[in-house]
Amino acid sequence: GDSVTQMEGPVTLSEEAFLTINCTYTATGYPSLFWYVQYPGEGLQLLLKATKADDKGSNKGFEATYRKETTSFHLEKGSVQVSDSAVYFCALTEIFGNEKLTFGTGTRLTIIP
Amino acid sequence: GAVVSQHPSWVICKSGTSVKIECRSLDFQATTMFWYRQFPKQSLMLMATSNEGSKATYEQGVEKDKFLINHASLTLSTLTVTSAHPEDSSFYICSARDVTSGVTPSGETQYFGPGTRLLVL
Repeated sequence: GDSVTQMEGPVTLSEEAFLTINCTYTATGYPSLFWYVQYPGEGLQLLLKATKADDKGSNKGFEATYRKETTSFHLEKGSVQVSDSAVYFCALTEIFGNEKLTFGTGTRLTIIP
Repeated sequence: GAVVSQHPSWVICKSGTSVKIECRSLDFQATTMFWYRQFPKQSLMLMATSNEGSKATYEQGVEKDKFLINHASLTLSTLTVTSAHPEDSSFYICSARDVTSGVTPSGETQYFGPGTRLLVL
C-alpha cells in the first residue's frame, strides 16, 4: 500500500535559517503530493502541491519538487520566520484511486528569534 | 472561506460512556467528510469516509459499531465513540470536501477541522 515517510522532529531553527524537511513516499500508482501545515489550534491547511513528476509546488516562500526518481518531495524554505512555527505534514493521494489521503507522521518546527 | 469546525475541542470521559464529536463546514457544503485519528508521533490515519445521506465507508480494522458516523446534512457529520475505553484516547480530526470541487484531486479540496482530543479515564 501507499506510505509516506517524513523526517522526525521536532526541528528547532533560528530565524532566517534554511529549512529542509525530508519526505519520501511509496505509491502503487501516480500520486499527487502535498504539504500541509497546522498552526497551533487550527486545522491542517494545504501549503503546496505537485501533481506530476518534476512539478515544483510553492507557496509563502516554501518549495517542494516532485522527484519521481528518488520518490521524494522535500520541503524547503530559504529563510524561516518565527511565524513558520507549526507542524508540517507530507501527504499523497492517488490520482486514479479512491481520494484517500495518506499522511506522514508530521514534523514539528519551532523557529526561535 | 472554507472553514471547518469541530466540537468539542477536547473531552474527558469515563470508561464505558459514549462521546459524540461534531464536524461542521461553516461556509460551504460538503458532500463528503472524512474522519481521521492520530496517535502521538504517528500519522493521521483515515478511519472512515462519509457521504451525505448514505452509510459511511470504514477503513479496514475500524469497528463500525464502535465508531458511529452520521452525515445527516451537507454541513454536519458526527462521530460517536460508543462505550469508550482508554485505548480510544486519541486526537480525532475531521475534514470536509467542498461539493463544488468536482474532479479536483481530493488533497486540494479537503478542509480540515482543528481536531478533538479525547481522553478516556
